[in-house]
Amino acid sequence: RKEVEQDPGPFNVPEGATVAFNCTYSNSASQSFFWYRQDCRKEPKLLMSVYSSGNEDGRFTAQLNRASQYISLLIRDSKLSDSATYLCVVPRGGSTLGRLYFGRGTQLTVWP
Amino acid sequence: DAGITQSPRHKVTETGTPVTLRCHQTENHRYMYWYRQDPGHGLRLIHYSYGVKDTDKGEVSDGYSVSRSKTEDFLLTLESATSSQTSVYFCATQGTGNQPQHFGDGTRLSIL
Repeated sequence: RKEVEQDPGPFNVPEGATVAFNCTYSNSASQSFFWYRQDCRKEPKLLMSVYSSGNEDGRFTAQLNRASQYISLLIRDSKLSDSATYLCVVPRGGSTLGRLYFGRGTQLTVWP
Repeated sequence: DAGITQSPRHKVTETGTPVTLRCHQTENHRYMYWYRQDPGHGLRLIHYSYGVKDTDKGEVSDGYSVSRSKTEDFLLTLESATSSQTSVYFCATQGTGNQPQHFGDGTRLSIL
């Protein structure tokens, strides 16, 4: 099993739609999780941090299910500007403190 | 974002030449990382540093070396560039091991 697995998509949704991405991870000791977004040919940018059961920031909600070892990202009322690749990121933990596992990303396209 | 500057932003060079990429940060972050990103592979860790003169290898360190003589600077060197090292290189910094990483704008390197 890979350390972090994401559905690569692509997800193509109309403006205003609600879309959800899932991410599974293998390291049960991970305590914090991150979602990044990456625009084409740009650097990854932090979208949300998840330290407990979940986090909400405006239209974005991240939920964590430790028992099943997955993290989800929900985007409500999608905007054209939400079109990007979303990376699920999980710390390695332990002696590799600071190092992260990056998923390969889920591509989202929001159309008018 | 997090005061990270990568230089150069773009470089084209020939096989066999040495190349040095620079990452400069103004946040006084302890941890610094070099990644490469290629289609189909996502972000892969090359080398990282957890303090001045403290560096270690990542998953794809062959052909690369790093140095960190000051907190703010982390250099990545390709001693003898090969075409397989054509990629986009990202530097990232991190304040503590439990915090997210923040990325520089990236360097697009082409080895002909």
